[in-house]
Amino acid sequence: NAGVTQTPKFQVLKTGQSMTLQCAQDMNHEYMSWYRQDPGMGLRLIHYSVGAGITDQGEVPNGYNVSRSTTEDFPLRLLSAAPSQTSVYFCASSYGVGHYTFGSGTRLTVV
Amino acid sequence: QQPVQSPQAVILREGEDAVINCSSSKALYSVHWYRQKHGEAPVFLMILLKGGEQKGHEKISASFNEKKQQSSLYLTASQLSYSGTYFCGTGVSSNTGKLIFGQGTTLQVKP
Repeated sequence: NAGVTQTPKFQVLKTGQSMTLQCAQDMNHEYMSWYRQDPGMGLRLIHYSVGAGITDQGEVPNGYNVSRSTTEDFPLRLLSAAPSQTSVYFCASSYGVGHYTFGSGTRLTVV
Repeated sequence: QQPVQSPQAVILREGEDAVINCSSSKALYSVHWYRQKHGEAPVFLMILLKGGEQKGHEKISASFNEKKQQSSLYLTASQLSYSGTYFCGTGVSSNTGKLIFGQGTTLQVKP
């Protein structure tokens, strides 16, 4: 099992560009979430999903879109990148209210 | 909405004990504990569900006081490998994928 796979690992964007961060899991987990991590701020929830076709907003959803067309994939879209979106992004999945498995993260820099 | 962790940072010598606290203003169903090493993804330690149970994992254990909406993580006879940042994550029901994390507690264990 690969677990939770995030791509790319590193990305530099220019202000105003759009991009999609990919997240895939092969554990048949129902729940998937996206977090961003900034120094001193902990892990902040962007969007989450409890199953295919179902998504909801977290603590900091502005500027991000998600969709969940399959159980395995949960991509995060940045619509128009801003320097404030410079962060490390983690995708995580779990089977119900169980322990979350995190991907290795995507380090995004917006210049 | 974000749970509050205390202390923010702690420095220990090998063999010493530490307690990390997590407090929420919301009624909780679950409390999760994770440890993150620098440059790595968070790793699951344990989950506590409504009912006030205490759990253990090697020399690391935790308790959950659902009446006070508080959880504590106990690290006994600390080892160098315990160094890292500890996060508590809180969930308010059994059927939500919404896990909100605290800001983290940085633990440094010195020889």
